[in-house]
This record gives sequence, structure tokens and C-alpha cells, in this order.
Amino acid sequence: NAGVMQNPRHLVRRRGQEARLRCSPMKGHSHVYWYRQLPEEGLKFMVYLQKENIIDESGMPKERFSAEFPKEGPSILRIQQVVRGDSAAYFCASSKTDNEQFFGPGTRLTVL
Amino acid sequence: AQKVTQAQTEISVVEKEDVTLDCVYETRDTTYYLFWYKQPPSGELVFLIRRNSFDEQNEISGRYSWNFQKSTSSFNFTITASQVVDSAVYFCALRALYNFNKFYFGSGTKLNVKP
Repeated sequence: NAGVMQNPRHLVRRRGQEARLRCSPMKGHSHVYWYRQLPEEGLKFMVYLQKENIIDESGMPKERFSAEFPKEGPSILRIQQVVRGDSAAYFCASSKTDNEQFFGPGTRLTVL
Repeated sequence: AQKVTQAQTEISVVEKEDVTLDCVYETRDTTYYLFWYKQPPSGELVFLIRRNSFDEQNEISGRYSWNFQKSTSSFNFTITASQVVDSAVYFCALRALYNFNKFYFGSGTKLNVKP
């Protein structure tokens, strides 16, 4: 049973470009969480999604950031018009129940 | 409010020394989980332990041990006879027991173990 998969593992974008980060949850998991880790900091919650629904987006910046988890396919975290401050590691976690969340390896976004 | 505080930003020890990483938390919930994760230089998160708030029994796993004290809202982590491979950033985290709730992470403690 493969773990949570994230791709790409490393992403480089220039200011103003779009970044798309993908997360494939573990098999049978229908709950996905996105966290952001700024340099030298802990992980901060961004958004919690179930299939086709955003349940809690209280940690998402109001502009430029969006997330989806379609019926088929991976969850996508999309950052439009990236700025240098978006450079961070973005972690995805998935769960089947409310007892266990499993983290992916993260995507490291660098904005030049 | 939910909050996790790791007051030690960075600790340096010499190999074979014991080291304790502190974690203090705040929560409104009466039932919750506490976690420790290791983040080596490669960047992934490695799960170390989960405790629920019902169980204050201390736990030992090899060179690792955890001291959960509900009365002081602390969940400290001790590495006995540290090794160079223990060098990493260690995060303490809190999550409510129910309702698919999100994690609250501390800011991490960077442990440097020197040979």
C-alpha cells in the first residue's frame, strides 16, 4: 500500500508564474489536508478537503491560493502569480478516519 | 486557543549525551492527541509517537522516551545516548481527537549531535 504521494518533489517558478502541487492520498483515504512550512518554522494548516468539497480553508491566504480534490484524480494546490514569500515546503496529509493522518514527502517550492 | 510551544530553538550535544526536547501545549479540548515528528535534512516528516490525552503513561521505545504530564501541559521527548543520525529538527504537534481536526505544530527544535 503506497503512502501519500506528492509531486513534484521540487518546483522552481519565477515570480508571476503559476505553481500546481499535486497530492495523491493513500488508497481508500477520502480526506486531504494541506500544510505549509516556511523556512525555519513549523507546519501551518492551510486547507482540509474531502472529495469535491472544501471543509475548512481557514488557513488559506485569501488571494492567489486555491485547492481542489476532484472525484477522480489527485488533490491540487494551486498558487497563482507566485511571489518570493511563497517559497516553502508544502505538505499534504490524508486520512480515512479522524484518528490517523499520514503525511506525504512534501513539495519544495522555490520562487526566483 | 490551540498552541504548541517548543522554546528550545536549537540544541547541540556531543554523541552519547542524553538530551531532552521540551514541548508545552495549550488546548480547549478535553480529548486530544499529541505527536512528535522528526524532520531530517532530507525534509520528510518521520512519525515518532502519538499519545492520546487519556493515557498519561510514559513510553519508551529504544533510546527514545516520552514524558506526558497533563498537569503541566507538557509532552517532553528524551533521547538517550544520542547519535549523529539523531541530528534533525523535531516537531511536537497537537490535534483534537475528533472531527477530522487539523494539526497544530510547534516551531521545532533543531538538534545537532556532534561526533
